[in-house]
Amino acid sequence: GENVEQHPSTLSVQEGDSAVIKCTYSDSASNYFPWYKQELGKRPQLIIDIRSNVGEKKDQRIAVTLNKTAKHFSLHITETQPEDSAVYFCAASSGSNFGNEKLTFGTGTRLTIIP
Amino acid sequence: DTAVSQTPKYLVTQMGNDKSIKCEQNLGHDTMYWYKQDSKKFLKIMFSYNNKELIINETVPNRFSPKSPDKAHLNLHINSLELGDSAVYFCASSQGSGRLHQETQYFGPGTRLLVL
Repeated sequence: GENVEQHPSTLSVQEGDSAVIKCTYSDSASNYFPWYKQELGKRPQLIIDIRSNVGEKKDQRIAVTLNKTAKHFSLHITETQPEDSAVYFCAASSGSNFGNEKLTFGTGTRLTIIP
Repeated sequence: DTAVSQTPKYLVTQMGNDKSIKCEQNLGHDTMYWYKQDSKKFLKIMFSYNNKELIINETVPNRFSPKSPDKAHLNLHINSLELGDSAVYFCASSQGSGRLHQETQYFGPGTRLLVL
């Protein structure tokens, strides 16, 4: 089955600096890679996703890059703000039929923005 | 206007008891999921249903039994609760339109289960 590794497990950056979180996956058939943000005590919420036919996607201060050959993808947050502090999860989707879209999550990165 | 809702939000119970968690989605989605998030924040899928049919059943003790009375509801019943069942349980849903590997999943608020 799919295995997703995520690094680092914790990350502290000064407000205004950039943060990068990296993930690798094992199943070459995976072709959907979402990123979720989970604030303390809240539900995971999708912040950005990328599909395998795209190498990079950007949404304001957030960008995701995908390297299918190397089987890794990364989340980039620029101009970080205190409200970016949260746990971030990467995931990879593996499945062969509708309803079988199983998301395998990484172990999470606790991002802390230092004011 | 809540998209995916769960009840109860908190559940504190004794070892050996049986409890249920309910989930409802009003997004018109065909697929629903149960995830377990342990104390280290690791999120792992337990079950998924598509139009009331069980699709994914990960290696979960058979004390856990999901039930989907209709495609908008997916409940989780847990028998003989154990200390190790303490976790946050998240329900989620996705459109399930048949587009492979491209389904955004929307999570419920979670149910915090504590087994004493």
